[in-house]
Amino acid sequence: GDSVTQMEGPVTLSEEAFLTINCTYTATGYPSLFWYVQYPGEGLQLLLKATKADDKGSNKGFEATYRKETTSFHLEKGSVQVSDSAVYFCALINNAGNMLTFGGGTRLMVKP
Amino acid sequence: ETGVTQTPRHLVMGMTNKKSLKCEQHLGHNAMYWYKQSAKKPLELMFVYNFKEQTENNSVPSRFSPECPNSSHLFLHLHTLQPEDSALYLCASSQVSGSTDTQYFGPGTRLTVL
Repeated sequence: GDSVTQMEGPVTLSEEAFLTINCTYTATGYPSLFWYVQYPGEGLQLLLKATKADDKGSNKGFEATYRKETTSFHLEKGSVQVSDSAVYFCALINNAGNMLTFGGGTRLMVKP
Repeated sequence: ETGVTQTPRHLVMGMTNKKSLKCEQHLGHNAMYWYKQSAKKPLELMFVYNFKEQTENNSVPSRFSPECPNSSHLFLHLHTLQPEDSALYLCASSQVSGSTDTQYFGPGTRLTVL
């Protein structure tokens, strides 16, 4: 079956540091890939997505590139802020019409 | 109201109580979902409705009973729950299920079972 693996957290960074959260996946066919973010006490918000190989999703300074050859979708941001502190979830939907499969989530803590 | 809304945001109930969670989407979508988010566990899909028809029941115990009266509203009826059912219950919607359409989530209902 489909699966998503994320690096375990928490990831603790200082403000303005560079962020990478690794995500790799296993899926049949050609999945669409997503990053969701969950701020404390809230639900999940779509952060960015990519629907085919080599696509780059971007939003709010975050980026992720769909790498089919390495089955990866790593999340990056050049300069994090305290307000980026949240839990980040990598997810996929495969084109066989199956359901959204989530990784375990990575907690990011940014200190001033 | 825009997006996906859920009520109540917080709920505390005893094991013998009956309560319902409500979800409403204002996005014109046709598919709606219930997820359970427990501490230290991955998000678990519970139910999927597509055009008001249930298309997925992910081996959920019968003490959870979903209802989808129309494409905009989704309920989760709860009865005789267990303490281990305490979790954040998230509703989501998408254009249709069985596709790669983006799912949009509500803020969740934080449920505590005493």
